[in-house]
Amino acid sequence: EAQVTQNPRYLITVTGKKLTVTCSQNMNHEYMSWYRQDPGLGLRQIYYSMNVEVTDKGDVPEGYKVSRKEKRNFPLILESPSPNQTSLYFCASSPHRSSSYNEQFFGPGTRLTVL
Amino acid sequence: AQSVSQHNHHVILSEAASLELGCNYSYGGTVNLFWYVQYPGQHLQLLLKYFSGDPLVKGIKGFEAEFIKSKFSFNLRKPSVQWSDTAEYFCAVNAGAAGNKLTFGGGTRVLVKP
Repeated sequence: EAQVTQNPRYLITVTGKKLTVTCSQNMNHEYMSWYRQDPGLGLRQIYYSMNVEVTDKGDVPEGYKVSRKEKRNFPLILESPSPNQTSLYFCASSPHRSSSYNEQFFGPGTRLTVL
Repeated sequence: AQSVSQHNHHVILSEAASLELGCNYSYGGTVNLFWYVQYPGQHLQLLLKYFSGDPLVKGIKGFEAEFIKSKFSFNLRKPSVQWSDTAEYFCAVNAGAAGNKLTFGGGTRVLVKP
């Protein structure tokens, strides 16, 4: 089944403890992206990747890192999480990096709470 | 920078009522427009999209949306809602910048009472 998967789905952690949220897609998509969803603000893009080893900042990149060593994986790293990073995170992918005609496919979401 | 606004944060209506959700964007060039739906506890799913051609777009589950370029709007409609349409609805715009970047509106929570 074609899908985007994220792990973990739920995570409660403490301030300053490094964590990684994994994202994987099995559709051979070039483009991948991370969003955070906060009430009343919709989804805001954190980072995106046009292809392997190519990543760039979105609208709210502060406090996050990403890497794209393989086409299928796009992990989100929080080196020193803070309470303002408590949010619902979505990974998304789409087929082609340069076309705006692509639908983005979303993962199931990761609910992160930072105490 | 492009932005998207959804006028209603919460909508409550009864089954069989008609639904219209407003969406306006700020970008003067060519845009691609999307409506996504998020059912409780689930991930976002695409309802419909507009790239070009007929400005009245039909999507899944009886939804449609009309692109009015002069008003920078892309409103979502459904003539008769069901309880199962209870969800959060997001309008999104891609204006060609940075490849596939989507800018989302703040979302509208729709509650359909049985």
